[in-house]
Amino acid sequence: NAGVTQTPKFQVLKTGQSMTLQCAQDMNHNSMYWYRQDPGMGLRLIYYSASEGTTDKGEVPNGYNVSRLNKREFSLRLESAAPSQTSVYFCASSEPSGRAYNEQFFGPGTRLTVL
Amino acid sequence: SQQGEEDPQALSIQEGENATMNCSYKTSINNLQWYRQNSGRGLVHLILIRSNEREKHSGRLRVTLDTSKKSSSLLITASRAADTASYFCATDSNDYKLSFGAGTTVTVRA
Repeated sequence: NAGVTQTPKFQVLKTGQSMTLQCAQDMNHNSMYWYRQDPGMGLRLIYYSASEGTTDKGEVPNGYNVSRLNKREFSLRLESAAPSQTSVYFCASSEPSGRAYNEQFFGPGTRLTVL
Repeated sequence: SQQGEEDPQALSIQEGENATMNCSYKTSINNLQWYRQNSGRGLVHLILIRSNEREKHSGRLRVTLDTSKKSSSLLITASRAADTASYFCATDSNDYKLSFGAGTTVTVRA
């Protein structure tokens, strides 16, 4: 099992360019998440999908859109990249138990630089 | 906003010593989790403690939870160089989201 995979690993964009970060999981989890990690800030939730067909905003959704393509895949799109979106992006998945949490499984991350 | 806050921000210890870090949070929780992140990698789940538990062990890890003080501690015993990493606590508050702290960076010196 590959777990959670993310592509690309690295990306450099110019301000105003768009791109989509891809995430896939092979653990048959219902819930998937996108986080960003900035130095000294820990992880902040951008968007999440509690189950296939649903998406919801997290703490810092502005400037991003998501698509839960199917149960396996959850993509994050930057329509018009800004330098403030320079960060490391992590995708994660989990299988919640009721409304409580179980562990989340993380991908290796995408390091994005916006010039 | 970040629910959990780890303390200290950074910790440097000698191999073989114990490392203790703390996490404080603000609102009531269902459970609290600890994760490890090695440099340049994704987070890896270490241990989950539920709100009705007070202590939990996993190998060289010991986690305590005091819901009256809204705090948790992670103890790593007999540290090794491979324990060098950042450690994060994460709490959930009865929805589908986890809230992560800013982390404690642990350096284990040989």
